[in-house]
Order: sequence, then structure tokens, then C-alpha cells
Amino acid sequence: GEDVEQSLFLSVREGDSSVINCTYTDSSSTYLYWYKQEPGAGLQLLTYIFSNMDMKQDQRLTVLLNKKDKHLSLRIADTQTGDSAIYFCAVITGTASKLTFGTGTRLQVML
Amino acid sequence: GAGVSQTPSNKVTEKGKYVELRCDPISGHTALYWYRQSLGQGPEFLIYFQGTGAADDSGLPNDRFFAVRPEGSVSTLKIQRTERGDSAVYLCASSSSGGIYTFGSGTRLTVV
Repeated sequence: GEDVEQSLFLSVREGDSSVINCTYTDSSSTYLYWYKQEPGAGLQLLTYIFSNMDMKQDQRLTVLLNKKDKHLSLRIADTQTGDSAIYFCAVITGTASKLTFGTGTRLQVML
Repeated sequence: GAGVSQTPSNKVTEKGKYVELRCDPISGHTALYWYRQSLGQGPEFLIYFQGTGAADDSGLPNDRFFAVRPEGSVSTLKIQRTERGDSAVYLCASSSSGGIYTFGSGTRLTVV
């Protein structure tokens, strides 16, 4: 089945850019998502990209998709303390409707 | 409703007891999903409903777990003979079409 991997931790200074990376194994992945989870809260959809796209930008968020390397990244510009959270990469593969999540990257924003 | 609602938000139960977790999806969403999130992990798929029927229950860990959605709206996840290893946050999501999934805040289940 699909396997999604992320690095566990990222620390950045306020105002810098953050880049969170994700790799997946199934080349037939169709939709790829980034979710944010704050302590004790549910999952908030940040953005998503279709597999026929290379890039998507939405305000401070930029998603890059490299299908050849099966690599997805999320760039957060001008990172703020309110961006501190766990970020999950998730993918849907083929005709399956279920999301496969990575283990999450904890983003720590320092003043 | 405006969002996906899950009740209770927290549930503490004794080992061996039966529990029910409820999910009220966004009105009109035909697809409903249950996920389980253990501490320090990403959510793992349990079961997916399309309307009233379970379209994919391949993620249910064993026969102690069962879910229903009798009228195609509210769903209940039922766990029999709870074990300490069942302790986790149980998340529900719903979607209409277009690949957008909205998650509830989850039910934190603690089995003591």
C-alpha cells in the first residue's frame, strides 16, 4: 500500500520561510494534501494539489509537487508564531477514497 | 451543520467496557470516514461510508470494532470489550465531491 514519510521536526525563526517535505511511494497518487493540527484540535485543511499540477500558491503557502521523485513540499512564507503546529501530508491513490497520512512534521517557530 | 461534529470530545472507559462514538457530518455530505490517531502518529484509516453502506472497512483492526450509518447521515463507531491499546483520538471526516475532506475535532478515548 501507499507509504507517506515526513521528517519529524522543523524549527525556524519568526519571519523566515519554512519548508516541510513529504515523500510518497505510489506514483498513481491523484490528490495530495497538507493539513495543520494544533494541540488538542482536529485537522485543518491548508491546501491541496492535483497530480496534474506542479505548483500551487495560496497567499503565504506554496505547494510544489515533483511527480518523478514522488516528493511534495509545503513552503510557508514569513512564518509566524501562530504557524506552530504539526503539519501532515496526505495522499489519495487511484480510485481509493481513503487518505493515507504521513507521521506529521512538528513546526516550531522561535522569536 | 456548519462543520463535522463529534461527541463526546473525551471519553474515559474501563477496560472491557463497550463504547460508542458519534459523528455528525456536514449536511448533504454523502461520504463519511473514520480515522484513528495514536499519540505521535498520523491518522490511520478505519472505515468509509458512501451513503448508508460501508464502502471500505479494510482499516478496522478487528471484529471488536464496528460502525453504522443507518440513515446516511450520523454515524456511530462502536467498540466492544475495549482494550488499553484502543486509547487514541478517533477522527471523523465527511466529503461531498471534489476531494475536499472536512474533519471533526475528534473524540479522545482513554481506556483505563
